[in-house]
Amino acid sequence: DQQVKQNSPSLSVQEGRISILNCDYTNSMFDYFLWYKKYPAEGPTFLISISSIKDKNEDGRFTVFLNKSAKHLSLHIVPSQPGDSAVYFCAASANTGNQFYFGTGTSLTVIP
Amino acid sequence: KAGVTQTPRYLIKTRGQQVTLSCSPISGHRSVSWYQQTPGQGLQFLFEYFSETQRNKGNFPGRFSGRQFSNSRSEMNVSTLELGDSALYLCASSLEAGRYQPQHFGDGTRLSIL
Repeated sequence: DQQVKQNSPSLSVQEGRISILNCDYTNSMFDYFLWYKKYPAEGPTFLISISSIKDKNEDGRFTVFLNKSAKHLSLHIVPSQPGDSAVYFCAASANTGNQFYFGTGTSLTVIP
Repeated sequence: KAGVTQTPRYLIKTRGQQVTLSCSPISGHRSVSWYQQTPGQGLQFLFEYFSETQRNKGNFPGRFSGRQFSNSRSEMNVSTLELGDSALYLCASSLEAGRYQPQHFGDGTRLSIL
């Protein structure tokens, strides 16, 4: 059973506009969340994290928002650049264990 | 600084065979985790090793096993291969164990079962 879901397999955005990638989770025990970016033929690279004590975390062009009541998080990329074209995975974990549960990924294409 | 190295990059096996995949973590990293990535399931956690001990295990059958050596290098073994084992296997290392430790991923081993 998929505890972390990314319901949009793909997303296309014009360069300079905002990209919004969404992630939903079902386990209310999840309290730590990560976003990873993955280019073809490479392993995922860490992008940004957020703990459940916060509802927003910002790092340059990347901002992650957490809505605990809706069990939803989103990654905003502003402005989007062609180099941002990649697959984005969200991941979640609970403090009862170190295991991370990943979503199935969203493939972002930024059109120049 | 060298990243996480996984060998081989590609592997083709037939059903019923067994396979061993290797992962060399970043120098100084003591924790190694393994993941299976398939198109429909995303990344699924296999197991985590720290100081040669398995700390955590995902929901995979006993055909999947692993170990870690004293130099932190890790191997993953899959016995009696099935078609469904075709996937990208990713290894990630971190300095210490624990979920707040940033994980650094290798580029993976692509395993194809015929």
